[in-house]
Amino acid sequence: NAGVTQTPKFQVLKTGQSMTLQCAQDMNHNSMYWYRQDPGMGLRLIYYSASEGTTDKGEVPNGYNVSRLNKREFSLRLESAAPSQTSVYFCASRPAWGAGELFFGEGSRLTVL
Amino acid sequence: EDQVTQSPEALRLQEGESSSLNCSYTVSGLRGLFWYRQDPGKGPEFLFTLYSAGEEKEKERLKATLTKKESFLHITAPKPEDSATYLCAVQAETGFQKLVFGTGTRLLVSP
Repeated sequence: NAGVTQTPKFQVLKTGQSMTLQCAQDMNHNSMYWYRQDPGMGLRLIYYSASEGTTDKGEVPNGYNVSRLNKREFSLRLESAAPSQTSVYFCASRPAWGAGELFFGEGSRLTVL
Repeated sequence: EDQVTQSPEALRLQEGESSSLNCSYTVSGLRGLFWYRQDPGKGPEFLFTLYSAGEEKEKERLKATLTKKESFLHITAPKPEDSATYLCAVQAETGFQKLVFGTGTRLLVSP
């Protein structure tokens, strides 16, 4: 089992460019999450999807959009990238809504120039 | 507002030198407290979940404990391979989708 797979692992963008981070899990989990990790800030929740067909804002949603494509896939889109969005992005999944631990991907390191 | 504070920010130990990491939290009703290990360039890896005060869990050289205000991660006779950042997170009874993470403790174990 691959677990949670994120692509790309590294990306450099110019201010104003758009891109989509892809995430897929093969554990048949219902809930999926996008976090960002910045030095000194801890992991902060951007968006989550409690189950297929639903998405909700987390702590820091501004500048991002998400799509729960199916039960396996949850993508994060930056429509117009800004330097403040330079960060490491982690996708995570969870077996059930609100219960159990999160399983994380390896991360996507994004730099916006 | 739910908050998690971890201390120390960084800790350097000699191999075999036992110590503890602290996670203090404020939350409106604790649903669960989670410990993760994160290696450089990797995603967090789950270690433990604690649900109620007095609960303890162990895994190899690690032991996690929980009180009503804090959790400790005790590391007994650490080895260099225990070097990592250790993250603590809490989940509240309300808004229970969200895990609130601390900023972590960077542990370095020297041979």
